[in-house]
Amino acid sequence: GQNIDQPTEMTATEGAIVQINCTYQTSGFNGLFWYQQHAGEAPTFLSYNVLDGLEEKGRFSSFLSRSKGYSYLLLKELQMKDSASYLCAVRGASGGSYIPTFGRGTSLIVHP
Amino acid sequence: NAGVTQTPKFRILKIGQSMTLQCTQDMNHNYMYWYRQDPGMGLKLIYYSVGAGITDKGEVPNGYNVSRSTTEDFPLRLELAAPSQTSVYFCASTDLQGWKGTQYFGPGTRLLVL
Repeated sequence: GQNIDQPTEMTATEGAIVQINCTYQTSGFNGLFWYQQHAGEAPTFLSYNVLDGLEEKGRFSSFLSRSKGYSYLLLKELQMKDSASYLCAVRGASGGSYIPTFGRGTSLIVHP
Repeated sequence: NAGVTQTPKFRILKIGQSMTLQCTQDMNHNYMYWYRQDPGMGLKLIYYSVGAGITDKGEVPNGYNVSRSTTEDFPLRLELAAPSQTSVYFCASTDLQGWKGTQYFGPGTRLLVL
């Protein structure tokens, strides 16, 4: 099975940097995803890590350490529109089916 | 491309009624999924399909059924609706041969069972 843990809620100030952590335990590993979900909307893809290290994409970066079962999403130069829920999802490889399991999500509130 | 579409957007059911949530994707993806999301919770997998004619149970399949007769369509059937099925339902698809297996989500169906 898979177990994914991330903080329930975080707050930050506009223009600042925030790091959202995700720890996981999984049988087999085939990638970790971060999704952004605004209230009342569907999740949308942010980043993907399958090898250790940092992946940078504009203001967003995602880091993975497979040996530690740990990832973080780093958001720089926060904007009000970044207020959303951020979902960590881990894709296992049990039974040959690549099914991701989602964490509960971290609700980020950005204050002016 | 319309991506993943879902109908209806919102529905109110009485206890014991049944309904089908429709999901269609036009990206020729093999994998399709149904999730439910309760307030403050993550996405729970109900059923998934790896291709036409093949379906399998996810984490919370009780009270639901699915079929996959075509690559494009993956309807979710609720029989004998119960208040515990009040939730937001998301359909998603992915192509593992495509870019990293990213999931594309439909806009969701909000279901209220009274």
